[in-house]
Amino acid sequence: GENVEQHPSTLSVQEGDSAVIKCTYSDSASNYFPWYKQELGKGPQLIIDIRSNVGEKKDQRIAVTLNKTAKHFSLHITETQPEDSAVYFCAASTTGTSYGKLTFGQGTILTVHP
Amino acid sequence: DVKVTQSSRYLVKRTGEKVFLECVQDMDHENMFWYRQDPGLGLRLIYFSYDVKMKEKGDIPEGYSVSREKKERFSLILESASTNQTSMYLCASSPLETKNIQYFGAGTRLSVL
Repeated sequence: GENVEQHPSTLSVQEGDSAVIKCTYSDSASNYFPWYKQELGKGPQLIIDIRSNVGEKKDQRIAVTLNKTAKHFSLHITETQPEDSAVYFCAASTTGTSYGKLTFGQGTILTVHP
Repeated sequence: DVKVTQSSRYLVKRTGEKVFLECVQDMDHENMFWYRQDPGLGLRLIYFSYDVKMKEKGDIPEGYSVSREKKERFSLILESASTNQTSMYLCASSPLETKNIQYFGAGTRLSVL
C-alpha cells in the first residue's frame, strides 16, 4: 500500500519568514495530494490540493509543488503569520479508487513566533 | 457548511469496557471514515464506509468494529477497550462526487485507564 513520509516533524519560524514542509510517497499510482491544517481543538481542514497533471498550485500565501518523478511534494507558506501556527498534514490518494481513501503523513507542528 | 459532529470531545473509560464513539454528518455524504491520531504517527485509517451497512477495513482495524445503520451516522466500537487504544479519534466524511475531499469532526479524545 501507499506510504507517505513527512518532514520536518516540528518547524519554528519568525513571523514574516517562509515555511516549507516536504512529503514523499511510495505508490506511483497516487495522483491526488491534499494538505490539511489542524488548529488546536479542531479537526483537520483542507487548505490546498494538487493533482498529478499539475506541477505547482498557488493560493495567496500558500503553494504546493509536485515532482512526480521523484515522488515528492511540498507545501510552501510565505509571509507567515501567527495564525498559521497549527499542525499540517500531507496526504496521497488515487482518484481512481471508489472511496476516496487518503494516506496521511506524520504531521508537522508549525509555530510562528510574533 | 459541512458539519461533522462527534458526540463527545473527551471520554474516559476503564479497561475492558465496551465503548461507542458516534459521528453524524449533515451533508448526505456517501463516504465516512474513522481515524486515530497519535503524535508522530499522523492519522491512521481504522475503518471506512461507502454506503449504509457497508464497511471496509482500513490500515489498523484490529480491536475495533463499526456500524452504519443510517447514511448520516457512523459509529466506532471498541469491543473491549485497552490502554493502547488511548488516542484522539477523528471522524470524516466525503461526498461521492469529490470523494477525496474529506471533512473532519473536531475529534474525541479517549483515555482508557
